[in-house]
Amino acid sequence: ETGVTQSPTHLIKTRGQQVTLRCSSQSGHNTVSWYQQALGQGPQFIFQYYREEENGRGNFPPRFSGLQFPNYSSELNVNALELDDSALYLCASSFSAGGHNEQFFGPGTRLTVL
Amino acid sequence: KQEVTQIPAALSVPEGENLVLNCSFTDSAIYNLQWFRQDPGKGLTSLLLIQSSQREQTSGRLNASLDKSSGRSTLYIAASQPGDSATYLCAVLTGANNLFFGTGTRLTVIP
Repeated sequence: ETGVTQSPTHLIKTRGQQVTLRCSSQSGHNTVSWYQQALGQGPQFIFQYYREEENGRGNFPPRFSGLQFPNYSSELNVNALELDDSALYLCASSFSAGGHNEQFFGPGTRLTVL
Repeated sequence: KQEVTQIPAALSVPEGENLVLNCSFTDSAIYNLQWFRQDPGKGLTSLLLIQSSQREQTSGRLNASLDKSSGRSTLYIAASQPGDSATYLCAVLTGANNLFFGTGTRLTVIP
């Protein structure tokens, strides 16, 4: 059984640029959630995708967007990058059939915005 | 809005000591509570998950308890080792199916 994987591991961008982060969910999982963890803080929920549709969103602006593909992998896109977007981005996958199940986390992508 | 607080923010103990980490949450309408370990610059490793109907879970030297009505959980680590040094995060799963995290307790175990 393959766990949750994320790419790339590290990324450096400049202010105003756009970035795409990728996540492959664990085998058998149909739900992907994305979290942002700033330095010294706990992760904060960005949004969740279930069966290719957005299924809940945290307090993040529209320049944070996402996709989920038929194989349940997911992308997080951030437009017009700001310095405060520098953080560790974590994705988590779970199996949901209308319930609330354990989320399994990937290793994260470290984004630095200069 | 759910808020999760962890006390203390940092803790330093000599090797071999037993210790307790605390987590509190403001809204008791949770589905489960999870404790994670995070090493510097790394992702999250799940340690224990307690369903809302359960009172505690144990794994090796770790024991987590949950008192949903009072909005509290504790993580007990027995016979601490230097390898236990890390940041410990607690998180609650809400009806919106997303996790609310505390800011963590940074643990240092001194050999």
